[in-house]
Amino acid sequence: SQTIHQWPATLVQPVGSPLSLECTVEGTSNPNLYWYRQAAGRGLQLLFYSVGIGQISSEVPQNLSASRPQDRQFILSSKKLLLSDSGFYLCAWNQGLSSGANVLTFGAGSRLTVL
Amino acid sequence: SQQGEEDPQALSIQEGENATMNCSYKTSINNLQWYRQNSGRGLVHLILIRSNEREKHSGRLRVTLDTSKKSSSLLITASRAADTASYFCGSGAGSYQLTFGKGTKLSVIP
Repeated sequence: SQTIHQWPATLVQPVGSPLSLECTVEGTSNPNLYWYRQAAGRGLQLLFYSVGIGQISSEVPQNLSASRPQDRQFILSSKKLLLSDSGFYLCAWNQGLSSGANVLTFGAGSRLTVL
Repeated sequence: SQQGEEDPQALSIQEGENATMNCSYKTSINNLQWYRQNSGRGLVHLILIRSNEREKHSGRLRVTLDTSKKSSSLLITASRAADTASYFCGSGAGSYQLTFGKGTKLSVIP
């Protein structure tokens, strides 16, 4: 069966510090991978998605970047965090339209607080 | 931009009552999905309805889709305290990703 792991679960970082959130998927190959952010009162915002190694699409211009160094690994990074980067970050995966539907499986989330 | 918007933003009901949540979306879709999120956790997929379907059932869940009105509803029958969570609709327009609204926060009072 497939599983998705996301870490760290919680993170408190000062403004201006770097960020690295990691997500890995097990039990599947060539998944589509996604990073969403959930800020208070703002719902889920799609940040990045990737359909293959090294292929990253950005939905919103921001202080963050994403990378996919391996097939089942997706990393969210920032060189210098802003207060506005605080939020709940969710990694997700699916197999895309080839499987008939784009149902997402989410990780448990990473709570980032920037002080 | 956000594709779906859930309504109401918050809903509080007594255990045993039915809960109805609505979702509106803006552009054409090929499917619409409902997800549940317990506090501080990731989203969990509940049910998917395709654009050529009007109604779908899964256990105590009933989903309807009206593509002419670009809206969907999720009905939870005979609610339980364990149904307390936030519920999101995600709309898929043929590309890989889903776009979500702000969710409906459901509180079921024992």
